[in-house]
Amino acid sequence: EAGVTQFPSHSVIEKGQTVTLRCDPISGHDNLYWYRRVMGKEIKFLLHFVKESKQDESGMPNNRFLAERTGGTYSTLKVQPAELEDSGVYFCASSLSTWTGRDANTEAFFGQGTRLTVV
Amino acid sequence: DAKTTQPPSMDCAEGRAANLPCNHSTISGNEYVYWYRQIHSQGPQYIIHGLKNNETNEMASLIITEDRKSSTLILPHATLRDTAVYYCIGSYNTDKLIFGTGTRLQVFP
Repeated sequence: EAGVTQFPSHSVIEKGQTVTLRCDPISGHDNLYWYRRVMGKEIKFLLHFVKESKQDESGMPNNRFLAERTGGTYSTLKVQPAELEDSGVYFCASSLSTWTGRDANTEAFFGQGTRLTVV
Repeated sequence: DAKTTQPPSMDCAEGRAANLPCNHSTISGNEYVYWYRQIHSQGPQYIIHGLKNNETNEMASLIITEDRKSSTLILPHATLRDTAVYYCIGSYNTDKLIFGTGTRLQVFP
């Protein structure tokens, strides 16, 4: 079974440009999450999709970031325009269920991340 | 979500058990204790989670104190590939994991 895949693995762009990151979750996983780690900081939650709906986008830093998940399958995270402080590693994760209970699969599977460098 | 406290770093000899502690004194009754790890340049990887009882899977064991204010992740036979940053997270579910600074475990030969 394929895991969570992210594309590209690395991206170097100039300040002011636009970048779109893509995440393909594990097939059948309704929940999709975006996280990021900026240099020297902790991994931070950005947002959570349930199918195509945004369940929680409280971690999105500002309106330069736009996440979509059309059709409830893959997701994109667009940064427009990119700033220097956006540099970091962006992780996507997916899970089958978020129900809290012993018998629910609450494991979140993470992708390898996209390393974004804004110069 | 509960705030957790972990030592910044630990060492462990290969083949020995690695015992990683975590304090979560503010954890609420419905919050699980999750453990994830991040091996260099990879995405976080789920290890184990528990609520009240001790748990064991193919990767590790999780020992939770009776008062649930602390827990210990045990890697029974650490290998060099277990060198990673280990995160203890208190959360109701996986909807919004709050990663702290974690414990950097170095396994040496």
